[in-house]
Amino acid sequence: DQQVKQNSPSLSVQEGRISILNCDYTNSMFDYFLWYKKYPAEGPTFLISISSIKDKNEDGRFTVFLNKSAKHLSLHIVPSQPGDSAVYFCAAGSNDYKLSFGAGTTVTVRA
Amino acid sequence: EAGVTQFPSHSVIEKGQTVTLRCDPISGHDNLYWYRRVMGKEIKFLLHFVKESKQDESGMPNNRFLAERTGGTYSTLKVQPAELEDSGVYFCASSFQRHTDTQYFGPGTRLTVL
Repeated sequence: DQQVKQNSPSLSVQEGRISILNCDYTNSMFDYFLWYKKYPAEGPTFLISISSIKDKNEDGRFTVFLNKSAKHLSLHIVPSQPGDSAVYFCAAGSNDYKLSFGAGTTVTVRA
Repeated sequence: EAGVTQFPSHSVIEKGQTVTLRCDPISGHDNLYWYRRVMGKEIKFLLHFVKESKQDESGMPNNRFLAERTGGTYSTLKVQPAELEDSGVYFCASSFQRHTDTQYFGPGTRLTVL
């Protein structure tokens, strides 16, 4: 059973605009959430995380929002840059240490 | 500081053969994980070491897969004998101590079983 879902397999955005990536989860035991970015032929690179006790975390151009009641989180990238073109994975974890991942969203930033 | 490294980057073997993947975690990280991504789908957990001990191997597909972490440093993942469905990208990750410490991933080993 897939506990983390990214329902949009792809997203195309113009350079300079906002990219919004969405993620839904089902397991209420998850207590921290992460976004990873992945380029082809590379491993996932950590981008930003958020604890379940917070509803927002910001790091430069990247902001993650968490809505626990809806079991939903989102990643905002503002402004989007060509180097942001990659696959973005949402992941969630609990005290059993293992991460559950979504299937990924491919972001393409158009010049 | 060196990141997580994996060897080899690619491996192509025939069905029935044996392959051993290696992972060197970030120095000082007690936790080491193996994950797998098959056919561009989600990344799935395989197992978790704390130092040299297997903490959780609930994601291992079957007994053809054997993971070790001798001395609590590097880890190996052996597939014997390999089957076609074992093809995919195998990622290793490591983290410091707490379950909320970030897991840092290696570049992965792409395994193709023909």
